Amino acid sequence: NAGVTQTPKFQVLKTGQSMTLQCAQDMNHNSMYWYRQDPGMGLRLIYYSASEGTTDKGEVPNGYNVSRLNKREFSLRLESAAPSQTSVYFCASSEAFGGSQPQHFGDGTRLSIL
Amino acid sequence: RKEVEQDPGPFNVPEGATVAFNCTYSNSASQSFFWYRQDCRKEPKLLMSVYSSGNEDGRFTAQLNRASQYISLLIRDSKLSDSATYLCVVLRSASKIIFGSGTRLSIRP
Repeated sequence: NAGVTQTPKFQVLKTGQSMTLQCAQDMNHNSMYWYRQDPGMGLRLIYYSASEGTTDKGEVPNGYNVSRLNKREFSLRLESAAPSQTSVYFCASSEAFGGSQPQHFGDGTRLSIL
Repeated sequence: RKEVEQDPGPFNVPEGATVAFNCTYSNSASQSFFWYRQDCRKEPKLLMSVYSSGNEDGRFTAQLNRASQYISLLIRDSKLSDSATYLCVVLRSASKIIFGSGTRLSIRP
């Protein structure tokens, strides 16, 4: 049982390049999330998808776009990468949205923007 | 001021010791509370939910104090494998999920 799978695990980009981070979950969860984690800071929510067909902005959405492709997959796109987007990105899923639902995380994508 | 604050540590304690740390939150409308554990360069994993009545899971005890707006985590008989960063998570609403920056715990032999 893979849980939440993120690809790629590492990526180096040049400023201005674009890329898409992929996330897939096999737990039949309804809700999915994208976070970034920077040193000395907690995880910050970028975007979330409460259910298939919906997406909403989180705390730090600027510079990102998302697509909930189907129930399993939720991708994060950087259209024009900037050094400030250097971070570790985590995708997560939960059975339902909000409340007391625990989140299951992928093992992260380490992204460096030069 | 951050909405969720944790002492970054590190807490360095001997194996077998009892250690406790707190997490304070500023918004009284916060609804749900969790402790997650994150090992170095790994993903966060849910450790336990925190209930008003307090809850225990083996060597771990979590407490919520709504009046003073903090949650706590107590680890008894600490093991080397407990070394990790412990993240406090507060749900202010369905879409407001706030992670603390974590408390680093190191257990020494």
